[in-house]
Amino acid sequence: DVKVTQSSRYLVKRTGEKVFLECVQDMDHENMFWYRQDPGLGLRLIYFSYDVKMKEKGDIPEGYSVSREKKERFSLILESASTNQTSMYLCASRGQSPGNIQYFGAGTRLSVL
Amino acid sequence: EDQVTQSPEALRLQEGESSSLNCSYTVSGLRGLFWYRQDPGKGPEFLFTLYSAGEEKEKERLKATLTKKESFLHITAPKPEDSATYLCGAAGGTYKYIFGTGTRLKVLA
Repeated sequence: DVKVTQSSRYLVKRTGEKVFLECVQDMDHENMFWYRQDPGLGLRLIYFSYDVKMKEKGDIPEGYSVSREKKERFSLILESASTNQTSMYLCASRGQSPGNIQYFGAGTRLSVL
Repeated sequence: EDQVTQSPEALRLQEGESSSLNCSYTVSGLRGLFWYRQDPGKGPEFLFTLYSAGEEKEKERLKATLTKKESFLHITAPKPEDSATYLCGAAGGTYKYIFGTGTRLKVLA
């Protein structure tokens, strides 16, 4: 069974804190993605990675960075959390072809106070 | 510019009342059209992939169809447990999917 696991379902952080969101997939997928989802705005791509140590900016990378040291793990980092980063964060993974299915994790609901 | 638009934004149905959700897309070199179901507070769950116009796929009360400009998700005799947000996404020639903002479906008993 396909599995994308996000380390936390809920997180509450203070403004200015450094926040790490972790994602692990067990499908040996080349591509991994981080999205944020906000009401009325849909899914917006933050960053994606197509291989270990390789990354590309998505549509809204400002305020975020990522790390992919191992194929199965993709981390999203909020260097200095701000209240406008309160959101649902979704990790996804996909095989090499754009036509492959993208599988999502359960999501992390982050609140920045 | 690649774009995916879903309609309606929200839909309320009585149990057993069949209907369709629409996903209109403009994507260069479509590589796949995807439907997901998302329950509140959870990640999207994959339902269907459609690759070429005329293709249809079915699963229980759901049937997805694809034309050159749009996809429909038909829901036949829905039940309250079908209540969810349904997301449509399209894959073009690049690395990313383009997602619509979803249709929130509520099925009343």
